[in-house]
Amino acid sequence: NAGVTQTPKFQVLKTGQSMTLQCAQDMNHNSMYWYRQDPGMGLRLIYYSASEGTTDKGEVPNGYNVSRLNKREFSLRLESAAPSQTSVYFCASSLAGTQETQYFGPGTRLLVL
Amino acid sequence: DAKTTQPNSMESNEEEPVHLPCNHSTISGTDYIHWYRQLPSQGPEYVIHGLTSNVNNRMASLAIAEDRKSSTLILHRATLRDAAVYYCILAGWTGANNLFFGTGTRLTVIP
Repeated sequence: NAGVTQTPKFQVLKTGQSMTLQCAQDMNHNSMYWYRQDPGMGLRLIYYSASEGTTDKGEVPNGYNVSRLNKREFSLRLESAAPSQTSVYFCASSLAGTQETQYFGPGTRLLVL
Repeated sequence: DAKTTQPNSMESNEEEPVHLPCNHSTISGTDYIHWYRQLPSQGPEYVIHGLTSNVNNRMASLAIAEDRKSSTLILHRATLRDAAVYYCILAGWTGANNLFFGTGTRLTVIP
C-alpha cells in the first residue's frame, strides 16, 4: 500500500516551458487535492477534485490546469511556467470530501529559472 | 473565510508536555478541527481531529473549547521527533473554499 505517490521528485524548468505533475493514490479515495508551499509558508490549495470527473478552484488556481484522469490519478499542468511558480507541490487525497482526513504525498520540488 | 490563528513558534523541553493553541473564532457548526504536522522536507501528516468533544489518540490529545472558538493540541511527552510545524485547519463540507493551512506553529524540542 504505497498511499499517495508523486512524480517527479524534482524538476527544473525554464520560463515558458510546460510540464505535468503526476499524482496517484491507491487508497480508493474519492477526493484529491493539489497544494503549493512556498519557502517558509504554509500550504495553499490550488485545485480540488471531490470525485472523478469534478474539479474546483482553490485559493491560487491561476497558471494551472488539472485533470482527474480516473479515481486514482490527479494531474497538475503548468502550461507556461513562470519563476513565481517555483515551489514545492503536494498532492493529497481523502476518502470523501474536505471534511475527511487528508493523506499527503512526498511532494515535487519545482524550480523555474 | 474560516481561518485559524496560531503562534509562529514554540519551544519545549524534551519529555515535557506541550500545549499548542489555535484560535478559530469564525468556525461554523459543521467544521471539524484538524491538526497536521510537517516534518522537515516531508509532506504533512495527520495528527488528530475533532468536532466538539475532546479527543485522544496514540499521538496526541485535542482539547476543544466549549464555544469551539479555540482548541489546543497536547503532546503529552515531547520527543525530538516531534519537532515539526503544526497546522490547525478547519475542515467543513463546503468544499475547497474552506481549506486554509496558514503558516502553522514551528515546535522546537530542546534536548
